[in-house]
Amino acid sequence: GEDVEQSLFLSVREGDSSVINCTYTDSSSTYLYWYKQEPGAGLQLLTYIFSNMDMKQDQRLTVLLNKKDKHLSLRIADTQTGDSAIYFCAETILTGGGNKLTFGTGTQLKVEL
Amino acid sequence: GAGVSQTPSNKVTEKGKYVELRCDPISGHTALYWYRQSLGQGPEFLIYFQGTGAADDSGLPNDRFFAVRPEGSVSTLKIQRTERGDSAVYLCASSPGGSTSYEQYFGPGTRLTVT
Repeated sequence: GEDVEQSLFLSVREGDSSVINCTYTDSSSTYLYWYKQEPGAGLQLLTYIFSNMDMKQDQRLTVLLNKKDKHLSLRIADTQTGDSAIYFCAETILTGGGNKLTFGTGTQLKVEL
Repeated sequence: GAGVSQTPSNKVTEKGKYVELRCDPISGHTALYWYRQSLGQGPEFLIYFQGTGAADDSGLPNDRFFAVRPEGSVSTLKIQRTERGDSAVYLCASSPGGSTSYEQYFGPGTRLTVT
């Protein structure tokens, strides 16, 4: 079965790096994603990584994937107050039936001045 | 607009009533998904459309929930005999299909409150 777990809360100071962690159980996962949700808003796709990769960098964002441990992390460099939001990790298995996402419960990131 | 839109943004209804929630996907996106997000939780998959057909409805909680996409664009999620436990944010996402079918773009959601 599919299960995605995240810690609930993370607090960092502005300018520091943030690292949000996620573990998943389904070894068949094809893509793993990070979404951002601000209060009252929908989900914004931040980045994703294919399961045959172990790292992906996109400007301030770095995604690390440890497939052996089924561990995914998102590092945000130089965290800003605008990064305060809930971050969701999600996994999917691409099948003929589509790209159904399984989400974690989300990590609330609070950036303090 | 260029993004996924959902209407209404908020819906308050009484227990037992029928509701319809609408999703307008990004133009040209062939795949459409519905998810439900309860308070403090991540979204949970409900149903997936490829074109006009429901290719995977395994996430619909029971037969009170139904969704259609008659022309392969706009979709409507229908809930009969609403219950208080149906209160949640209902999210719609669309995907280009083809080689970029792994990218899903979400709308702002419809917050449903059943009193």
